[in-house]
This record gives sequence, C-alpha cells and structure tokens, in this order.
Amino acid sequence: EVQLVESGGGLVQPGGSLRLSCVASGFTYNTYWMSWVRQAPGKGLEWVANIDQDGSKKNYVDSVKGRFTISRDNAKNSLYLQMNSLRAEDTAVYYCARDYWNVLDHWGQGTLVTVSS
Amino acid sequence: DIVMTQTPLSSPVTLGQPASISCRSSQSLVHSDGNTYLSWLQQRPGQPPRLLIYKISNRFSGVPDRFSGSGAGTDFTLKMSRVEAEDVGVYYCMQATQFPYTFGQGTKLEIK
Repeated sequence: EVQLVESGGGLVQPGGSLRLSCVASGFTYNTYWMSWVRQAPGKGLEWVANIDQDGSKKNYVDSVKGRFTISRDNAKNSLYLQMNSLRAEDTAVYYCARDYWNVLDHWGQGTLVTVSS
Repeated sequence: DIVMTQTPLSSPVTLGQPASISCRSSQSLVHSDGNTYLSWLQQRPGQPPRLLIYKISNRFSGVPDRFSGSGAGTDFTLKMSRVEAEDVGVYYCMQATQFPYTFGQGTKLEIK
C-alpha cells in the first residue's frame, strides 16, 4: 500500500523558514517524480513544485521561486520542501503527492503551515 | 499559466440522480507526446484530495464505475451516473500538460 506521511508544519513568523518532510513507503520511491501541493484554509488547490527521480530536474510555481527549494533523499525514501522568506499567503496545508507521468495518483494527509506574527 | 475554469461552482443534487461538472482550459491540454493530462480529483470534507480520473477518461484504481470522464482539447466533463451520499465533497479538475500544473476552482457537490 502506498503511504505518504508529511511532517514539519507549524507556526512561523513572517520572514522565517521551515522545512517540510514527506516519507514514502509501499512503492519503489526512486523511480517516481514527486510533487508538493498546497491548500490555503477554505481555498482550492495550488501546485507548488515537483522533482524528478534523481533530483536533477525541479519545477516551481512562480510565487515560490527563489524562496522554496524541493529536494529528496532516495536512501531515506524522503521528500523535502525548504521554505524561506515565508509570507502570510504561504499559510496552507501542504500535501506531498506521487507524480506518476503527470498524474498525482497518491496523496499524503498534509501538514499545516501557519505564517503569522 | 493555463487557467482551468469549472462550472458550476456548486451543485446540489438528489441522491440517486446524475450529476455533471464541466472544466474548460484556457489552451489545449494536448501534450507534445500526444497525451492529454487532464485529471479529476475528489476531496471529501476533512480529507486530502483523491485521484478519480486521469488522462481525461481513465478511472483510477478503486474508483466506482459511476464516475466517468470525457472531453478533448479544452473542454472536459466529469459525470456521476447516480450520486451517493459518500460523493459529497469538492471536485477539482487539474491539468499537468504544462508547468505549472494548475487546478480548477473546485465544484462543491452537496445533497439536496
């Protein structure tokens, strides 16, 4: 069974940093692209970034370019999102999702990031 | 960026009756590899999104056959042949043909 478990969310002040993690199990992790998607409270879904199997290719939505960095550790079956210079508008539940040939086929339960003073 | 527009944004339906959601993209979703990366996702209250349909019309594993997808180019439809109580939630279309991936605004399905 595919499982994705996010962690690392919490309350952070504007301008601060946070690192999210997602641990994958139940599939051969190093053969899949992975994505991060976020959802602001009461709002819709916004794709944030994705990364290829060996971490050499990365794509980002414009609103996070230069502030967020996606990475992975295949030895630990883990996906990361380093978030710097956080803003109030980054407040959201962050989901990791398996990205199988441009299809987000499995999703984690999400971790909440709140940016507030 | 490709803009995805869903209609309606809210859909009150009677149990056992059909329902339909439309999704229109601001440009063709046909990828250079010939595929059309249009998916439909369901988000039940308090739950993460769940994949229902991928590449326009392919039902994902475990998805009941009352869900079906159709369309081409820029116009797509999700249909439910008979709505059940467990179908309540928000439905999103999503394109993954071009970066950044983008989602529709969501359609809230509720029971009358």
